[in-house]
Formats: sequence, structure tokens, C-alpha cells
Amino acid sequence: GQQVMQIPQYQHVQEGEDFTTYCNSSTTLSNIQWYKQRPGGHPVFLIQLVKSGEVKKQKRLTFQFGEAKKNSSLHITATQTTDVGTYFCAVFSGSARQLTFGSGTQLTVLP
Amino acid sequence: GAVVSQHPSWVICKSGTSVKIECRSLDFQATTMFWYRQFPKQSLMLMATSNEGSKATYEQGVEKDKFLINHASLTLSTLTVTSAHPEDSSFYICSARTSGGVDTQYFGPGTRLTVL
Repeated sequence: GQQVMQIPQYQHVQEGEDFTTYCNSSTTLSNIQWYKQRPGGHPVFLIQLVKSGEVKKQKRLTFQFGEAKKNSSLHITATQTTDVGTYFCAVFSGSARQLTFGSGTQLTVLP
Repeated sequence: GAVVSQHPSWVICKSGTSVKIECRSLDFQATTMFWYRQFPKQSLMLMATSNEGSKATYEQGVEKDKFLINHASLTLSTLTVTSAHPEDSSFYICSARTSGGVDTQYFGPGTRLTVL
């Protein structure tokens, strides 16, 4: 199925600093989704990007889909301790449209 | 939004026993449900896709005789880990998809399995 590489694996930031995680694919994606998983919790859907070059914002979170639809990023401005968790990108593959998750970026926000 | 529940939320069992995990869509009918496994500090790995009334489709490397999946109704899928061993200890998460929403999956809260 579709494979996505996600970097970095870990990121420690001071509260108030910005954070970015990236997902890259070798093939063109039809769409990409982003999820957040708090420690001990389950993935929670954040957003889906479909269009080439698409940019969507949710408060301090900015999501981008590359022009070639092969990469995507999630940027958090002025992180807060509530942003702590692991952020995953996910893409669809297979006849049953299964979700394949990236390896995730674990964000730690130091107060 | 749509709600998916899982039961139990956690379970501890002895090696060699079988454990059944239930996944229910509470306010919608799920034609397709997915089962994932997540080891500590790792990503979610798809184990199998189950469609109501038919056999599950397992991902490569997942033993279908060890991880029995039943999707008998549009609101319930079960995963049975047979003859569990310590290496099966993991976080098992299901997700459900409605027939009308191709690209929308709703995740359950997960079941943490510990095999002693």
C-alpha cells in the first residue's frame, strides 16, 4: 500500500515555540489526513487535505498539502502544553481504502 | 460526530488464554471496520479489514487463525486473540467507516491488552 515517511520522530520544544512535522510520499496522493493521539489515548481526526497546494488553518494549527500532492506538513504556532501528543499523517490505499499511518511525530512541550 | 466504542478498555490475561475485544458503532451503521495494533511508541499498524457478513481481509504477516475477526452485524465487530502470548501485548484500536463516507473513519478508544 501507500507509504509515507514522517519526520521528525521526536520533537521537544519550549512552550511558545513553533513546531512542524512533515510527511512525504514517493507517489502522488489522492488526499491526506492528520490525526493527534494524546498519551494513552486513541487517534483523533484533525483534518483532511485534498487539493493541490491546499492550506487549512485550525486556530494555531496550519496544514499544507504540496503542489505535487506528495508531501504535507502540520505547523503549530506558539505551542502550548495541551499540544502534547503524537501527530500522525495518514493516507488511503488499497481497494478497501485502508488508512496507512505515518510513523508519527511525538511532541513534548516543556513549560 | 459518530461514536465508536470498544470493550473492554483494558484486559490482563494469562498466557495461552483467548481474549475477545468488541468494537461497536453506537449511532451509525458501519459497513466496514478496521482493526489496528499499536506497540509502545510506534505507529498504528493495520491488522485486518472486516466487512459485515463476509470474511475479514488480513494484512500481510497477520495470522488469521490467531486473530479471529467476526463482523456479524452493521454495528459490531469482534477481534479474538487466541492463545495469547506476551508478545501479543499491545494497544488494539478499531475504526469504523460508514457506507456513505468513503474517506471518514471513526476510531474507538482502544483496548490495552497485557498478557502475562
